Amino acid sequence: DAGVTQSPTHLIKTRGQQVTLRCSPKSGHDTVSWYQQALGQGPQFIFQYYEEEERQRGNFPDRFSGHQFPNYSSELNVNALLLGDSALYLCASSQRDPLNEKLFFGSGTQLSVL
Amino acid sequence: GENVEQHPSTLSVQEGDSAVIKCTYSDSASNYFPWYKQELGKRPQLIIDIRSNVGEKKDQRIAVTLNKTAKHFSLHITETQPEDSAVYFCAAEFWGKLQFGAGTQVVVTP
Repeated sequence: DAGVTQSPTHLIKTRGQQVTLRCSPKSGHDTVSWYQQALGQGPQFIFQYYEEEERQRGNFPDRFSGHQFPNYSSELNVNALLLGDSALYLCASSQRDPLNEKLFFGSGTQLSVL
Repeated sequence: GENVEQHPSTLSVQEGDSAVIKCTYSDSASNYFPWYKQELGKRPQLIIDIRSNVGEKKDQRIAVTLNKTAKHFSLHITETQPEDSAVYFCAAEFWGKLQFGAGTQVVVTP
């Protein structure tokens, strides 16, 4: 039973570039959430996808967008990268139907913006 | 808006002693409160959770208590071991999303 998988594990970009991060949820899960974790801080909620639609969104600008595919996998896109976007990006999956709030995290993508 | 405060930010304990981490939340509608352990360079891992209809939950050496009236919940680790050293995060569910505390760095010294 595969857990939550993310790719790539590390990424280096320069300011102004665009990046796409990928996530496959845990088997049996239908909901994917994305979190940003800056160094020394707790994860901050970016958004959540269920049934291929964005259901919830945190306080992140429109430069952050996402997508969920029919197989429940998801992508996070960030445009016009800023230095402050450097962080660990965590994908988490859960099950909405039937409801189970337990959230399981992937190992994350460490994004460095130079 | 929702907010979760966590204390202390660092906690140093002797092996075998107990550790307690406390969190408060602002939104009375929150009904689910998980705790995560994150070792350096690794993913946050769910260690225990509690729902608002329960006041206390225990799993071996870890326990969580919830006071919904006061809007605070705590993690208790007994008989601490060196492998308990990590950053611990509390969280409160708010309309399907988790709001995390800032984390507690726990160091267990032999």
